Amino acid sequence: AQTVTQSQPEMSVQEAETVTLSCTYDTSESDYYLFWYKQPPSRQMILVIRQEAYKQQNATENRFSVNFQKAAKSFSLKISDSQLGDAAMYFCASSPVYGGSQGNLIFGKGTKLSVKP
Amino acid sequence: GAVVSQHPSWVICKSGTSVKIECRSLDFQATTMFWYRQFPKQSLMLMATSNEGSKATYEQGVEKDKFLINHASLTLSTLTVTSAHPEDSSFYICSARTFPGLAGIGGTDTQYFGPGTRLTVL
Repeated sequence: AQTVTQSQPEMSVQEAETVTLSCTYDTSESDYYLFWYKQPPSRQMILVIRQEAYKQQNATENRFSVNFQKAAKSFSLKISDSQLGDAAMYFCASSPVYGGSQGNLIFGKGTKLSVKP
Repeated sequence: GAVVSQHPSWVICKSGTSVKIECRSLDFQATTMFWYRQFPKQSLMLMATSNEGSKATYEQGVEKDKFLINHASLTLSTLTVTSAHPEDSSFYICSARTFPGLAGIGGTDTQYFGPGTRLTVL
């Protein structure tokens, strides 16, 4: 079974500053993916970044990067140069990999990020 | 590419009636579709997984006779909430997954989410 824990219900950041959202997970799977999804007020789920557990290199997508610590089962998201449009609910998620294919997503409870102008 | 639509986006119905929600992958073939439920200010909870042409797999605690799922084609899955009651009011989200090489999408497999359907049962 997999569990995902986000310990920060809410976070706030000043525009143009950097913020880090925390996520820890637990899994018995040998191979898995980790994700960060963004859910703005529209409620459309948007994939922010994805990390394959077998890769040691941290994934990056423009202003978004992760700090993946496999031994510690930690997967934090860093948002640089925060913009007003980054304000949203952020969900950390994991999924097992079976036979090379992604399994079901398991979501954390989410962190609500506010961006102050 | 990789667009998933849901219809309707918002529905209000009377208690005891049935409501059908459609989930379509518009520009790719989805071998698997997922249905989630999200209560206000909470996370997404997986309800069921459906593969095209086979019966859906329901998560523990989800009533399969109440939440009927049909995945008749590689681009369409439907969720029917039967005999809806106020406690079924929620935000329902579908996602669709494809695999590399299938028509329309390249790269690694991933889930693409629909915009959600808000169900209110009076």
